[in-house]
Amino acid sequence: QSALTQPPSASGSPGQSVTFSCTGTSSDVGGYNYVSWYQQHPGKAPKLMIYEVNKRPSGVPDRFSGSKSGNTASLTVSGLQAEDEADYYCTSYAVNNNLVFGGGTKLTVL
Amino acid sequence: EVQLVESGGGLVKPGRSLRLSCTASGFTFGDYAMSWFRQASGKGLEWVGFIRSKAYGGTTEYAASVRGRFTISRDDSKSIAYLQMNSLKTEDTAVYFCARERGNYFPDAFDIWGQGTMVTVSS
Repeated sequence: QSALTQPPSASGSPGQSVTFSCTGTSSDVGGYNYVSWYQQHPGKAPKLMIYEVNKRPSGVPDRFSGSKSGNTASLTVSGLQAEDEADYYCTSYAVNNNLVFGGGTKLTVL
Repeated sequence: EVQLVESGGGLVKPGRSLRLSCTASGFTFGDYAMSWFRQASGKGLEWVGFIRSKAYGGTTEYAASVRGRFTISRDDSKSIAYLQMNSLKTEDTAVYFCARERGNYFPDAFDIWGQGTMVTVSS
């Protein structure tokens, strides 16, 4: 059982927007602005898409955006493209120098 | 090219030890904190542990599931991070990834990842 709760699946059609949630507690998501999101294609290494709740690393399209409200963080992918189909994981810094993960959301582009 | 390459995975019996290596290139390894992660087949990602750069004491943090059994170290002269795994259990079977931390003091966000190395613990 993962420390952060993510829905197991999500889907959308090309061009649409989809939002993933990531729910934690005041000891992780709610207590720190250190939420990150990773994209992972099958058999590949994870790729950092968002850090510190809403910052994009260089090279990540601005179709990807992050936000947080209370103990829940969200990742929104706008203008869905076929290559966005992947697993998405949220992480958060947690008390006592821990890093916690969500169980991941599998995005299907219809 | 900025790159991380893991090595040292393989098949090992329960209770035995294994050491993984993460060799960095294309950046000043000593300036960065590093972490290890793992992913069991068909499962999600799990953080294993973290080592700060020497500038921040080179100290380590570990997930509760491996604390006391796993040890992370680094050799900045060789640009290598190590994961020493002792008293291995079948549930440690996974692909192990190393990754570079964007910051330095605590595990936060990881911008460069290796391709992973498979560790199988089985009798």
